[in-house]
Amino acid sequence: DAMVIQNPRYQVTQFGKPVTLSCSQTLNHNVMYWYQQKSSQAPKLLFHYYDKDFNNEADTPDNFQSRRPNTSFCFLDIRSPGLGDAAMYLCATSRDRGGETPLHFGNGTRLTVT
Amino acid sequence: DQQVKQNSPSLSVQEGRISILNCDYTNSMFDYFLWYKKYPAEGPTFLISISSIKDKNEDGRFTVFLNKSAKHLSLHIVPSQPGDSAVYFCAASELGRDDKIIFGKGTRLHILP
Repeated sequence: DAMVIQNPRYQVTQFGKPVTLSCSQTLNHNVMYWYQQKSSQAPKLLFHYYDKDFNNEADTPDNFQSRRPNTSFCFLDIRSPGLGDAAMYLCATSRDRGGETPLHFGNGTRLTVT
Repeated sequence: DQQVKQNSPSLSVQEGRISILNCDYTNSMFDYFLWYKKYPAEGPTFLISISSIKDKNEDGRFTVFLNKSAKHLSLHIVPSQPGDSAVYFCAASELGRDDKIIFGKGTRLHILP
């Protein structure tokens, strides 16, 4: 089955210690997104890639970076995690850019910062 | 400032009855709306959508109604089944602008036996 896979499902990191979350897709979709969802909050878009074109949201902290080395993989790097960065991180893909194109989500990575 | 609001954090409905989940939005430029369903430990999955040129879209047991003048949409599930117990997210976008999809906080639906 075509899927969006996030690894790991749970990640524990120490305050200030860099961490990388990964996402892969077999859907061959052009667009990959990273969302942050804190408890009982709406998923918040951090950035997205349209093919190799990187699009950062204006309010995404500089602490968050992303890489997309090829169509299938996308990484979220948190350079110096703070306690406030503990959240569920959701990767999503879509065939094309456009609000009417449904997103396909992975199961998320829950990040804990100690 | 929340542009998409789901004011009911949770809702309980008897199996077989109608579930109505509500969503309000503040940005009058939104012209496409989507509902996603999320089970525990899984990512959200797309459920149904509606364009602002319509006021209703139906797919099996799921119907979404849009009231543009009130900036309100609702998702109706009839009849409700145990497998419908999940968190439902309302989302909206402004097509052709930045294509960003803005989510609400979600409503947890409990279907009671």
